[in-house]
Parts: sequence; structure tokens; C-alpha cells
Amino acid sequence: QKEVEQDPGPLSVPEGAIVSLNCTYSNSAFQYFMWYRQYSRKGPELLMYTYSSGNKEDGRFTAQVDKSSKYISLFIRDSQPSDSATYLCAMSVWAAGNKLTFGGGTRVLVKP
Amino acid sequence: EPEVTQTPSHQVTQMGQEVILRCVPISNHLYFYWYRQILGQKVEFLVSFYNNEISEKSEIFDDQFSVERPDGSNFTLKIRSTKLEDSAMYFCASRSQFDNQPQHFGDGTRLSIL
Repeated sequence: QKEVEQDPGPLSVPEGAIVSLNCTYSNSAFQYFMWYRQYSRKGPELLMYTYSSGNKEDGRFTAQVDKSSKYISLFIRDSQPSDSATYLCAMSVWAAGNKLTFGGGTRVLVKP
Repeated sequence: EPEVTQTPSHQVTQMGQEVILRCVPISNHLYFYWYRQILGQKVEFLVSFYNNEISEKSEIFDDQFSVERPDGSNFTLKIRSTKLEDSAMYFCASRSQFDNQPQHFGDGTRLSIL
């Protein structure tokens, strides 16, 4: 079983729709969860991070963490064509160094 | 907003040659990382570095790889004798000293081994 699993997509939605992304993980030691956005030939850009179960909201983005189910989600409201990118979930255990383990990414296409 | 800077953006090297990838982390950050992403695959951890020493490394980070912080601003990844399979995007990341702070990534160096 892979440590972090993410549907590769592509996920195609019309402009203005809600984009729903998720990851599952197998390592219960993961405590810290992040979502990154990656445009083609660019580095991962941090969108959201959290280290607790529940919801966290930032503008159009909402991150959810359910540690009991080992499941995290990212919702993007009022999606725009500029949101078209690959979205990566990443997580780490609570330790010095905090190396990140990434999902494979979900490609999202928001159509005007 | 401060950012992680990587140079060069694209490096083409003959197999067997040494290559050095350079990174300037965010100025007040103390933890530094290298990751790589082979085309079409996941971003993979290579090494973390803190207080002038490696704090963790993956099994990918073998004796051909080394890291160095030669001065107060640069962080480098050296591959001594490159192989075809080293072709990938290499990302540098950094974070502050607080454990609950996330890593910030540069835009990467695309390494092509011929």
C-alpha cells in the first residue's frame, strides 16, 4: 500500500464550480498536512497547511483533515481558469527535519 | 514575499560528469531540503540539512550525492558522477526554525543527463 494516495485526474470543472480534491494515507504517524499547487515547470507553491483534524479556511480554499479515517481534502470555491494546475498533498510526521511525503498530484482543469 | 531561488533553471550534463545545483533559501530559514521529481512521478525527498549537517536522507541519496552550505546564503547539491536516471527536476526547500511552519519551495532546476 502506498503511503499517500491521490487520484491523478484530470479533473475538469466549469468556471465557478467547487473543486474537490482528496488524499488518503496509511501512516498514522503523519501529523502535519499540506496542499501545494504546481504549475507546469514550476515548483510546488504552498496553499494550505494544518496540523490538526477539522477544517481550515483561507479565502476560496478550505482544507479538511480526518485523522481517524486517514483522509484529507481540499475544496476550492468559485474556481477560476487560473486555478488550472496540479494539486499536491503532502504530509510529515512531527519530527525535526520534517521531510515531506507527497501524493502523486491531481491535475485540475477549470474551463471558462 | 521572500522566496527560494534556484540556479540554473536548466542544466544539461554529460553522463559521468559532476554537477552542482544551487539554491538560496529564504533568509531567516534554518532548515533546508532537496527533493526531486522525475517526469510524471511523485516529488521525492532526498535530504534535509540543519545546523550544518544532514539531519535525514533517503535511500536515493547515496554516496554520489552531497550537500553543502558554503556560506551564509547558499545551499548546494552536488552529484559526483551523473547517471541517466538522475535526469529530473530538483527542488530546494526551506523552512523556519519553528516545527509547525511549512516548507517553501523554489522553482527547481531541470537536470538533463545525456
